Amino acid sequence: KAGVTQTPRYLIKTRGQQVTLSCSPISGHRSVSWYQQTPGQGLQFLFEYFSETQRNKGNFPGRFSGRQFSNSRSEMNVSTLELGDSALYLCASSLAGTSTDTQYFGPGTRLTVL
Amino acid sequence: GQSLEQPSEVTAVEGAIVQINCTYQTSGFYGLSWYQQHDGGAPTFLSYNALDGLEETGRFSSFLSRSDSYGYLLLQELQMKDSASYFCAAKVDNAGNMLTFGGGTRLMVKP
Repeated sequence: KAGVTQTPRYLIKTRGQQVTLSCSPISGHRSVSWYQQTPGQGLQFLFEYFSETQRNKGNFPGRFSGRQFSNSRSEMNVSTLELGDSALYLCASSLAGTSTDTQYFGPGTRLTVL
Repeated sequence: GQSLEQPSEVTAVEGAIVQINCTYQTSGFYGLSWYQQHDGGAPTFLSYNALDGLEETGRFSSFLSRSDSYGYLLLQELQMKDSASYFCAAKVDNAGNMLTFGGGTRLMVKP
């Protein structure tokens, strides 16, 4: 079974631009979560989607948004990029997002904002 | 607030045993997971404890004490390839998959 895939793997943008990142979960997985990883703040939860609905949201500004499609693929969007948005963005999928589910992470998209 | 505390760095020699501790303070708690992340790689799942006690998976074991808000990851027969960062993560929402992560422990295994 193929793992979680994320595209693109690397991205360079300038302040003020917007960016869209894509995540394809493991086949059959319906829950997709997004995390931001930075040296200073560590791994922080952004949001989770399940059956095309946002189920949880972390403490991030409204510039960060996401969506999930009927095939469980998910995208996240960051508008009006700031230097502090430079990070590794990780997507994780699980079967149904229950309390005993295991989350499997993708390789991440490394975003650099100049 | 939510916080998970773990040591920032641990060093051990090949073949030894190392324990990485994690104490948590969260408003909701449904279990503790452990992830391994090599430099430049994605976090990979190691273990999950929903109930108190010890879970063993090969060379790795994980322990949870809910009453002490404490858990640990035990790595036995250390190998050089175990050099990586290890994260504890609390599942804080029963209806979803929201994980709150600790700051990570960088393990260096020396020959």
